[in-house]
Order: sequence, then C-alpha cells, then structure tokens
Amino acid sequence: ETGVTQSPTHLIKTRGQQVTLRCSSQSGHNTVSWYQQALGQGPQFIFQYYREEENGRGNFPPRFSGLQFPNYSSELNVNALELDDSALYLCASSPDIGGGETQYFGPGTRLLVL
Amino acid sequence: QKEVEQNSGPLSVPEGAIASLNCTYSDRGSQSFFWYRQYSGKSPELIMFIYSNGDKEDGRFTAQLNKASQYVSLLIRDSQPSDSATYLCAGGWGGSEKLVFGKGTKLTVNP
Repeated sequence: ETGVTQSPTHLIKTRGQQVTLRCSSQSGHNTVSWYQQALGQGPQFIFQYYREEENGRGNFPPRFSGLQFPNYSSELNVNALELDDSALYLCASSPDIGGGETQYFGPGTRLLVL
Repeated sequence: QKEVEQNSGPLSVPEGAIASLNCTYSDRGSQSFFWYRQYSGKSPELIMFIYSNGDKEDGRFTAQLNKASQYVSLLIRDSQPSDSATYLCAGGWGGSEKLVFGKGTKLTVNP
C-alpha cells in the first residue's frame, strides 16, 4: 500500500454537473499532483500543489481547480462536466518538490460522465 | 511541446525471455525518467527511475538512458507471467513529479 487514498472509487455524473474528488496523502507529504488518465492513454498532468499553493499546471482549462489542506488532504474540482472528462483521476503525493522517485499514486477515482 | 512516445505494442514474450520496452522524448530539458507498471484497473506503480546516462539495474529490471539520442528503455530479464501489465514511460520537466507520460506498452508474458 502507498498510503495514498482517494474517494470515491467510482462516480457517475451527467454533462454540465460539477464534481469534487478527494485525496488523502501520507503524513508529511507536502506535494500532491493530480493526473487524468483516459482509457488506453497514459496519465496527463493536471496540476500540482505544494504547501497549499498551486505549483504548476498542465494543459487543462480553468474549470479544473484544486485545493490542498494543511492536514495533507486535497481536492480536485471539475465544473461544467463534459463527456470527455470521463477518465481515471489519480492523485500522487511526495514529501517535497523534486522527489519524483518518492512519489506514490493513489488508487484513483473512475469518473463517468453521461 | 514535451512529448514521450512509446512502442505502441502490444508486446508478447515467452516466460523466461527478455522483454525490451522503448521510449523516446522530444525535449532535452528533462532530467528525470521513470518507468511505471500498471495492472489493469489499478494505478501506476513506480518500478525504475533514472537520471544519468547509462544503465541502472535493479533485480530483473535494467533501465537505460541515452540523452544524446533522447531515448529511454527498460529491459525485463527472466520475464514472468506476473510481469504482464502496461508499462508507462514518463519524463519529468520542471520538477520530477510533474510527469509527461507515454501512452504505455502492453506486455504479455506467456507461460
């Protein structure tokens, strides 16, 4: 086990709705990154948070937003859901910036948008 | 544009053989490369990372990096059926946790 948990495991939403996905990192892991993995594709970097501040963003529109809390939990919010948002959403945490070899993925949340 | 490309696969090898997985990347700015294994329905699991040119060995796995050719590879010796999974190559730009992944290569090891 990686010590990273995500909730919920599965979720079904309809187009136009909003969704919040949650991630709980290991204690002491100050960095959390979120990825979107569409079926048959590799994960795509959405954004990273370090000590509650956004620290880099991939090529995703502003309707994808996030928060990181002092208790090592974090959220990914997606507004105005589109069919193409259907994917596995992964969070990954690491103790600090520059620690890719100590970055661990959670089990993911599978989102289906109808 | 930072891109990582992998052999489309799928790759099938007999048990006990060497599996060779390859990956190229588009931007010389990356300093870190990772190989992840992903079983169907599961999240990626880090199996190797490499930062310097040359080979890095860990048990049955060897990662190779050639920065001049912008090429990364993973060799799996004595392949086992439990190695059957999708292998993802990733490069880190602007921080080794901000990864750009390839599409993955599906490996099947036949008993």
